[in-house]
Amino acid sequence: LAKTTQPISMDSYEGQEVNITCSHNNIATNDYITWYQQFPSQGPRFIIQGYKTKVTNEVASLFIPADRKSSTLSLPRVSLSDTAVYYCLVGLMEYGNKLVFGAGTILRVKS
Amino acid sequence: DADVTQTPRNRITKTGKRIMLECSQTKGHDRMYWYRQDPGLGLRLIYYSFDVKDINKGEISDGYSVSRQAQAKFSLSLESAIPNQTALYFCATSDGSGTYNEQFFGPGTRLTVL
Repeated sequence: LAKTTQPISMDSYEGQEVNITCSHNNIATNDYITWYQQFPSQGPRFIIQGYKTKVTNEVASLFIPADRKSSTLSLPRVSLSDTAVYYCLVGLMEYGNKLVFGAGTILRVKS
Repeated sequence: DADVTQTPRNRITKTGKRIMLECSQTKGHDRMYWYRQDPGLGLRLIYYSFDVKDINKGEISDGYSVSRQAQAKFSLSLESAIPNQTALYFCATSDGSGTYNEQFFGPGTRLTVL
């Protein structure tokens, strides 16, 4: 299993860009990098997924360097409603038990 | 209506009781999963099923069993509940194609074992 390391918590202010970095030194060739968001007492929600370089969707961007040993989730212009836990996952769900949710990063957005 | 529903949403039970948590989905997905989450921790996979005839153990299956009654229904049972099974339980689904790791989660069942 690819182990991930991400900061325990981060603070930001409304309107700022937030970057959360995840380390995954032993990522396997077939592994994808996936980020989820979780609000209190709710199930996680898929944000974005990538394999290499850069992926962008309507809510976030994901930057993956060439060696794929780390990745950065970028949230543009955060608001108070972006306060949540963000999980970095590395794996491939084709083999179910290879997808592991770590402790995640608690992002607190302040006004 | 929610695509992934879980019943009950909250349950308090006693040590030694058998309890079943149910999950239903209207997304038409073949793949279903059960996770548990403990305070301050991430989610851990208990069981997963890639189709009606396929059941697989996850990271922490001891003390749990599952039943895939239909494509849309996946139940988790605790045969003899114990206090350290007190947790938040989530069911999830995926379609196994396209975005590989995209799962859709239910609202969760908060289980307390006294």
